[in-house]
Amino acid sequence: NAGVTQTPKFQVLKTGQSMTLQCAQDMNHEYMSWYRQDPGMGLRLIHYSVGAGITDQGEVPNGYNVSRSTTEDFPLRLLSAAPSQTSVYFCASGNSGGQQETQYFGPGTRLLVL
Amino acid sequence: GNSVTQMEGPVTLSEEAFLTINCTYTATGYPSLFWYVQYPGEGLQLLLKATKADDKGSNKGFEATYRKETTSFHLEKGSVQVSDSAVYFCALSGKYKLSFGAGTTVTVRA
Repeated sequence: NAGVTQTPKFQVLKTGQSMTLQCAQDMNHEYMSWYRQDPGMGLRLIHYSVGAGITDQGEVPNGYNVSRSTTEDFPLRLLSAAPSQTSVYFCASGNSGGQQETQYFGPGTRLLVL
Repeated sequence: GNSVTQMEGPVTLSEEAFLTINCTYTATGYPSLFWYVQYPGEGLQLLLKATKADDKGSNKGFEATYRKETTSFHLEKGSVQVSDSAVYFCALSGKYKLSFGAGTTVTVRA
């Protein structure tokens, strides 16, 4: 199993550009999520999904869109990038998102918005 | 709401030293508690977890005990190695999300 994979590993954008961060998992997990990691702030939840066709907002959803058309994939879209979105983005998955279960994280995408 | 307060770093130690990273939390209900580790250039991976009060999680020589009375989940290791150099995150589970502490960078010198 590859686990959770993310592409690209690194991306530079100009303000106002759009892009999609890709995330895929091969563990047949129903739950997937996106976090951003900023210095001194830990990881903060952007959006999550509890199954195909079902998504919901986390604590910092503004400026990001998601959709979940398949169990395996959960892309994150930046519609109009801003310098405040410079961060490291992690995708994670789990069986159901339940409180006792372990989340599995991808290797991250480092995004720089100029 | 749920929150995690974690000891600030960075922490620099010599090999074979004792490591403690403090973590306290505020939560409603009965969350599970986790320590995740991020090695340089990698994503987060689970180090250990505890799902109820007085549970002790352990892995790779690291231990942490879920203390409800002090709302704490401190991470300890008796003898660190250079390979333990990483960023350590304390986290607690809520409904469909993890709440993370700010992370503690640990550097172990040979």
